[in-house]
Amino acid sequence: GAGVSQSPSNKVTEKGKDVELRCDPISGHTALYWYRQSLGQGLEFLIYFQGNSAPDKSGLPSDRFSAERTGGSVSTLTIQRTQQEDSAVYLCASSLEGATRGHRTDTQYFGPGTRLTVL
Amino acid sequence: DQQVKQNSPSLSVQEGRISILNCDYTNSMFDYFLWYKKYPAEGPTFLISISSIKDKNEDGRFTVFLNKSAKHLSLHIVPSQPGDSAVYFCAASSGTYKYIFGTGTRLKVLA
Repeated sequence: GAGVSQSPSNKVTEKGKDVELRCDPISGHTALYWYRQSLGQGLEFLIYFQGNSAPDKSGLPSDRFSAERTGGSVSTLTIQRTQQEDSAVYLCASSLEGATRGHRTDTQYFGPGTRLTVL
Repeated sequence: DQQVKQNSPSLSVQEGRISILNCDYTNSMFDYFLWYKKYPAEGPTFLISISSIKDKNEDGRFTVFLNKSAKHLSLHIVPSQPGDSAVYFCAASSGTYKYIFGTGTRLKVLA
């Protein structure tokens, strides 16, 4: 597709349930990022993928959060045993090359986000 | 500890006038700065960036100014148009993929 797509656009779940959020990056982009934006906050970095590997998971807030990427393309962010504080907009971004040694990182392009509400 | 701060949550400007959005940062290791624009129900859209080796970068109606000594950057939009009404985020990085974002400023351009 032309841009980054995410699904679902909205997700309402009950506390304690697991959720999966999907991201389809721009075709050919090797780097993929997950962020989240809680109410009144800036975008918070969660995880970075280069290809299928995740060299930086430092932003994942707890072990209830995990992410994977397959085929160097689609990524899934999974939140287990959701809590009310997980309610946020989860944004995915992709870039052509990501972090390449000695070079400026390239521009990240964002999807529309998934609004997650945990009741 | 917020490393990138946008102290004005909102700004209203008359159409045709200049919009100035401000951003302050605390980490002197940041060397690359970006502005993103976000419409409701859409993801942030890249607008303009600047490297720390420059103090100004211009793209059409948008100009970003960087004052490294003050750890301050600003985005100027001239002339402002109603379609510019959106939330503007500044972001910074220290030469890596990890962008640190501010909390955003909601710009409203009045017709």
